[in-house]
Amino acid sequence: EVQLLESGGGLVQPGGSLRLSCVASGFSFSSYALSWVRQAPGKGLEWVSAVSGNGAITYYADSVKGRYTISRDNSKNTLYLQMNSLRAEDTAVYYCAKDSRGHDSWGQGTLVTVSS
Amino acid sequence: DIQMTQSPSSLSASVGDRVTITCRASQGVSNYLAWYQQKPGKVPKLLIYGASALQSGVPSRFSGSGSGTDFTLTISSLQPEDVATYYCQRYNSAPFTFGPGTKVEIK
Repeated sequence: EVQLLESGGGLVQPGGSLRLSCVASGFSFSSYALSWVRQAPGKGLEWVSAVSGNGAITYYADSVKGRYTISRDNSKNTLYLQMNSLRAEDTAVYYCAKDSRGHDSWGQGTLVTVSS
Repeated sequence: DIQMTQSPSSLSASVGDRVTITCRASQGVSNYLAWYQQKPGKVPKLLIYGASALQSGVPSRFSGSGSGTDFTLTISSLQPEDVATYYCQRYNSAPFTFGPGTKVEIK
């Protein structure tokens, strides 16, 4: 059974930084690209970033480009999202998702709140 | 970037009704189109990939069609447990944009 478990969310002031983690199990981790998807309170889904299976190729939404960095450690089956220069509009539940013809597995999400 | 739109933004239908949701891409995405269901307070769930392929475990009353720029998700007989918001998403190339969602309620 595929399991994705996010952590690292919390309350941070505008301009601050946070690093999210997602530990995966139940599949061949390095064989799959992974994504981060976020959902602001009461809003729709927004794809944020993706990384290839070997970590060499990364993609970002324009809304986070230059501020967020996605990475992975295949030896630890862990996906990361380093978030810098956070803004109030980055407040959301952040999900990690396995990429296989769409996002076929999702974590439970971790809440990031950017507020003073 | 390719933009995704959905219509309607919300609908109310009776149990047993046939429900159709439309998704449109501003440029062609071939068949790299997925549909998700998100029930209130829950994690999104993949329903359809490749525009028309049913994800394992998804009830057969769900179906998808289309290619290029115009796609549909159909629920052949709406059930109470289908109350949710439905999203389309293109995944042909980054950014993997989601549509704005369609909220489905029971009349």
